[in-house]
Amino acid sequence: QVQLVQSGAEVKKPGASVKVSCKASGYSFTSYGITWVRQAPGQGLEWMGWISTHNAKTNYGLKFQGRVTMTTDTSTTTAFMELRSLTSDDTAVYFCARDRDVLWFGEFVDYWGQGTLVTVSS
Amino acid sequence: EIVLTQSPGTLSLSLGERATLSCRASQSITSSYVAWYQQKLGQAPRLLMYGASRRAIGIPDRFSGSGSGTDFTLTISRLEPEDFAVYYCQQYGSSPPITFGQGTRLEIK
Repeated sequence: QVQLVQSGAEVKKPGASVKVSCKASGYSFTSYGITWVRQAPGQGLEWMGWISTHNAKTNYGLKFQGRVTMTTDTSTTTAFMELRSLTSDDTAVYFCARDRDVLWFGEFVDYWGQGTLVTVSS
Repeated sequence: EIVLTQSPGTLSLSLGERATLSCRASQSITSSYVAWYQQKLGQAPRLLMYGASRRAIGIPDRFSGSGSGTDFTLTISRLEPEDFAVYYCQQYGSSPPITFGQGTRLEIK
């Protein structure tokens, strides 16, 4: 069965970076993209960006450009999301999800990871 | 950026009733590239619909989607206990960025 298993919760200080991993299994990793979505406490969903597992093409949300890097390791079927220069506004649950688009910009997602809580606090 | 506005913010209904959730876009969405997700407290979202009207695998047929252009609707024909949750629409016809609506909370009356 399709599974996306994310790394554990993180606590970071303002100005630091965080790198979240997402291990995929149960499907052909390079046939689907990976999208990252975050959710601040009590808030809605926010699209962060998408990466092609086929050619490493990325499509980042304007708000995150210059501060986020999404990568994949096809040998371990793992995706990574690194967010830099953290502030308290980045405190959120970060989700990875399997995206139906692997070539262009991202579409909708059909399987989700369990989420990773990132807390930014001094 | 396409802004999605969902209404109502909260919908209070009884078991067995029909739920109608709205998602309005600030500009026309290409090829009805709209998806709907359900999220329960403490869980990841679940895909319900894509392409505005196509049900995802395993989604019961009491869920249906419709719409085009700027107006889209998710309908739940007869509410079951497990349907009470928060629902989000998403557009993926104009990117970047892909955007979500702010959500509609469906609660038991």
